[in-house]
Amino acid sequence: GDSVTQMEGPVTLSEEAFLTINCTYTATGYPSLFWYVQYPGEGLQLLLKATKADDKGSNKGFEATYRKETTSFHLEKGSVQVSDSAVYFCALREGAAGNKLTFGGGTRVLVKP
Amino acid sequence: EAGVAQSPRYKIIEKRQSVAFWCNPISGHATLYWYQQILGQGPKLLIQFQNNGVVDDSQLPKDRFSAERLKGVDSTLKIQPAKLEDSAVYLCASSSDSNTEAFFGQGTRLTVV
Repeated sequence: GDSVTQMEGPVTLSEEAFLTINCTYTATGYPSLFWYVQYPGEGLQLLLKATKADDKGSNKGFEATYRKETTSFHLEKGSVQVSDSAVYFCALREGAAGNKLTFGGGTRVLVKP
Repeated sequence: EAGVAQSPRYKIIEKRQSVAFWCNPISGHATLYWYQQILGQGPKLLIQFQNNGVVDDSQLPKDRFSAERLKGVDSTLKIQPAKLEDSAVYLCASSSDSNTEAFFGQGTRLTVV
């Protein structure tokens, strides 16, 4: 079945540092890929998405590129802020699986001033 | 636009008791999801509805969990009887159809003691 694997946290960074969170996936078809973010005390929010190979999703300074050859969708931000402290979830949705949204385990990011 | 509403926000029950959670999706959204998020893990799909029909309930523990969406709008998830391992956050999400972005509610945090 479909699965998503992302790097375990917590990831602790200083403000203005570069952030990368690795995400790889297993799917039988051609999924759409997502990054969701969960800020403290809040619900899950869509951060960005990509629906086909080589697409780049971007939002709030975050970027991720859909790499079919490496089955990856790594999240990056060039200069993090304290307000980026949150848990980040990589997810996929595949039509062949009834469009079920499958999540990775989440990566907690803590940005220190 | 109002978001996905869930109630209650928190619930503490003893094992073997029953509990019910309610979800009101975004108006007009045909697809509704219930996810279970155990502490430190990613959300796991329990059940997916398309209007009032079940699309996927393969990971719903049907001996104790049940869900309904009788009029294709609100939904209720019930656990009876609860076990200690059911302690988790129960997330409801909706989307206009199964191909579009899913919007999440803030969840119900269940503690079984």
